[in-house]
Amino acid sequence: GENVEQHPSTLSVQEGDSAVIKCTYSDSASNYFPWYKQELGKGPQLIIDIRSNVGEKKDQRIAVTLNKTAKHFSLHITETQPEDSAVYFCAAQGAGNMLTFGGGTRLMVKP
Amino acid sequence: NAGVTQTPKFQVLKTGQSMTLQCAQDMNHEYMSWYRQDPGMGLRLIHYSVGAGITDQGEVPNGYNVSRSTTEDFPLRLLSAAPSQTSVYFCASSYAPGTGANFGPGTRLTVT
Repeated sequence: GENVEQHPSTLSVQEGDSAVIKCTYSDSASNYFPWYKQELGKGPQLIIDIRSNVGEKKDQRIAVTLNKTAKHFSLHITETQPEDSAVYFCAAQGAGNMLTFGGGTRLMVKP
Repeated sequence: NAGVTQTPKFQVLKTGQSMTLQCAQDMNHEYMSWYRQDPGMGLRLIHYSVGAGITDQGEVPNGYNVSRSTTEDFPLRLLSAAPSQTSVYFCASSYAPGTGANFGPGTRLTVT
């Protein structure tokens, strides 16, 4: 089955700096890669996603890149703000419509 | 739209007890799924459904049953609770594969 690894597990940045979270996946058949943000005590919320026919996607301060050859994808957050502090999860969806999640990254943005 | 709703928010069970976690969505989504979230392990898929009357196992299905009699509802049943099932449970729905999943607020379950 699919295996998704996510790094780093914790990330601390200064407000205004950029943050990058990286994920690798094992199943070359995976074709959909969403990113979720989870605030304390809440369910994960979709923030951006990318499909396998696209190499990069941007939405305001958030961007995602995908390298299918290397089987890795990354989340980039620019001009970080304290409200960006949360746990971020990457995921990959392949055969069988199953989403496999990475272990999560706790992002802390220091004011 | 209420989105994805889950009840209860918190539950404490004794080992061996049974219970049903409720999940409902009002977005007419065909795909629904259950995940459990444990510290340091991300979210793991328990069971999922691609439409009414169709269910399938995920990564960690043992100890759990599901059914999908309507598009809106997808209950998760614990037949005989075990301490290893202490976790936070999330229900999610999506329109189709390759579209973003909407998650519910979660149910925090403790089995003593």
